Amino acid sequence: DGGITQSPKYLFRKEGQNVTLSCEQNLNHDAMYWYRQDPGQGLRLIYYSQIVNDFQKGDIAEGYSVSREKKESFPLTVTSAQKNPTAFYLCASSIDRTWGEAFFGQGTRLTVV
Amino acid sequence: GENVEQHPSTLSVQEGDSAVIKCTYSDSASNYFPWYKQELGKRPQLIIDIRSNVGEKKDQRIAVTLNKTAKHFSLHITETQPEDSAVYFCAAPKGVPGYSTLTFGKGTMLLVSP
Repeated sequence: DGGITQSPKYLFRKEGQNVTLSCEQNLNHDAMYWYRQDPGQGLRLIYYSQIVNDFQKGDIAEGYSVSREKKESFPLTVTSAQKNPTAFYLCASSIDRTWGEAFFGQGTRLTVV
Repeated sequence: GENVEQHPSTLSVQEGDSAVIKCTYSDSASNYFPWYKQELGKRPQLIIDIRSNVGEKKDQRIAVTLNKTAKHFSLHITETQPEDSAVYFCAAPKGVPGYSTLTFGKGTMLLVSP
């Protein structure tokens, strides 16, 4: 069953701790993206990767880090430097660098207490 | 960079009515405009998209129109049904083809009352 999978669905962490969100796809897509969704704010781009071993900052990259060691995996680390980490995080992938459909994971809701 | 404005933020209609959501964009080089639907607690999914070589595209009850001169595009849903209730996002590309991302509008919550 092809698709893009995020885990876990819900995540709770204490303030000051780093946390890593998982994103895996078996669609053989080159491009992968991380978005943050807050109420009334739409989807804001955190980081994206167009190819393995390469990634670029999006509009709100501060306090986040990523890696792209494998084509199918694009984990996001929310560091203690992120001032407001509580949010809904969406991972997405698209077939390549051209403009076309983005497929989203089911999201991870991170709550920092 | 690309700036996408979406209106209205909420839209309430009666079942069977039409709904229209509008978006404007800033980058005149953009030529791909998708619309995504996100039901409560679920992932966004593409429902329709349009490229700038056409002015209108239809798929059953949904349609998208594009006015490149005015830099705006709209989603039209006819004969709305309760299952159309969701948040709808428009998007436009940021960057050149080959190395670009999508910039999303802030979303429109559509509520269809039976």
